[in-house]
Amino acid sequence: GAVVSQHPSWVICKSGTSVKIECRSLDFQATTMFWYRQFPKQSLMLMATSNEGSKATYEQGVEKDKFLINHASLTLSTLTVTSAHPEDSSFYICSARSLRGRGDYEQYFGPGTRLTVT
Amino acid sequence: KQEVTQIPAALSVPEGENLVLNCSFTDSAIYNLQWFRQDPGKGLTSLLLIQSSQREQTSGRLNASLDKSSGRSTLYIAASQPGDSATYLCAVRSNTGFQKLVFGTGTRLLVSP
Repeated sequence: GAVVSQHPSWVICKSGTSVKIECRSLDFQATTMFWYRQFPKQSLMLMATSNEGSKATYEQGVEKDKFLINHASLTLSTLTVTSAHPEDSSFYICSARSLRGRGDYEQYFGPGTRLTVT
Repeated sequence: KQEVTQIPAALSVPEGENLVLNCSFTDSAIYNLQWFRQDPGKGLTSLLLIQSSQREQTSGRLNASLDKSSGRSTLYIAASQPGDSATYLCAVRSNTGFQKLVFGTGTRLLVSP
């Protein structure tokens, strides 16, 4: 099956610094990528949806200037958490969707990135 | 706005039991419904995907049903094993816009030997 990778798998940073998380589709082209955030013992919450070459669409309540998303190619999307604060500590999961034909899609998930802001 | 709820929030059973996890959603205009498994600190593993026109899907010891009109889905796990211990997430995909997945609150399952 299709594989989605994330890098890094975990990161610790100091408050006020920026952190970039990469999401790659390894063996398919992802027309759309999604970024989710998951707090401990909670479900996944969609943060934003991005299509290659266009601006991301953010969910209500997600600050687009704080969570910068770049979908520069069909295999790479990045999420940059700017001026991170302890409350941004969370598990970030990306997902990539490929077009299977006849308008049908398959969505694949990355292994997640654990961000801890001290 | 679509809301997805899962009951129970947590479940602890002895090995060998058959069990049912429940998922309900508020907007029946869905494209499909998907069940995932998530191990602690890990990403998601897709278990079953049911298209809106289907009633059920089976994979091994897993069977998922869908009643779109009533906004419900169940995941049936037969002969549970300790390796089934994980959090199970239900997610529905809308049939409009980006066809976003909306996740449920999850059921944490513990199967004891």
